[in-house]
Amino acid sequence: DAKTTQPNSMESNEEEPVHLPCNHSTISGTDYIHWYRQLPSQGPEYVIHGLTSNVNNRMASLAIAEDRKSSTLILHRATLRDAAVYYCILRDYGGSQGNLIFGKGTKLSVKP
Amino acid sequence: NAGVMQNPRHLVRRRGQEARLRCSPMKGHSHVYWYRQLPEEGLKFMVYLQKENIIDESGMPKERFSAEFPKEGPSILRIQQVVRGDSAAYFCASSPRTRSSGNTIYFGEGSWLTVV
Repeated sequence: DAKTTQPNSMESNEEEPVHLPCNHSTISGTDYIHWYRQLPSQGPEYVIHGLTSNVNNRMASLAIAEDRKSSTLILHRATLRDAAVYYCILRDYGGSQGNLIFGKGTKLSVKP
Repeated sequence: NAGVMQNPRHLVRRRGQEARLRCSPMKGHSHVYWYRQLPEEGLKFMVYLQKENIIDESGMPKERFSAEFPKEGPSILRIQQVVRGDSAAYFCASSPRTRSSGNTIYFGEGSWLTVV
């Protein structure tokens, strides 16, 4: 399985933008880049996903490098409720594997 | 559209008892996944099921654990003869189908099992 590398932790100030990086140098052509987050004592929450082009939704933006070997999740204005562990996951739509494989993720702390 | 529903949310069992965790996928979803999260650890994949079929059980412990997703009704994760090491949060997730670029997996809020 293609692996991702994320920083263990990051800090942000409330109402400032946050850029969460993810490296995936062994990504294959059929891998989609998914981001999930997990708040304390809750289930993982889908954030965003993309293949090649940058993506925006109401929660965040996903910026994907031209060579697809890295991506960045962008929270435009961090709030205290954004404090969570953020997971960058590759999911292969070309094969038969359906499940997500979670790494350690990035623990985001948001300071008021 | 209700999300993935799991119950019970919290379950306490004595060592040696059985634990049954239920998961109702989102409406229209035919694929179910179970994950386990031990205290202070990451999410580990356990099993992936479609209706009446186990697709991938590579993450399931070989003994005491079983899962099913019958034609009618919720998916069930069953743990027989529980031990203290089974204490964890168990998350269920569902998706409409694989091999689709628009496909996304959605998670429930989890079932917290405590073995005393």
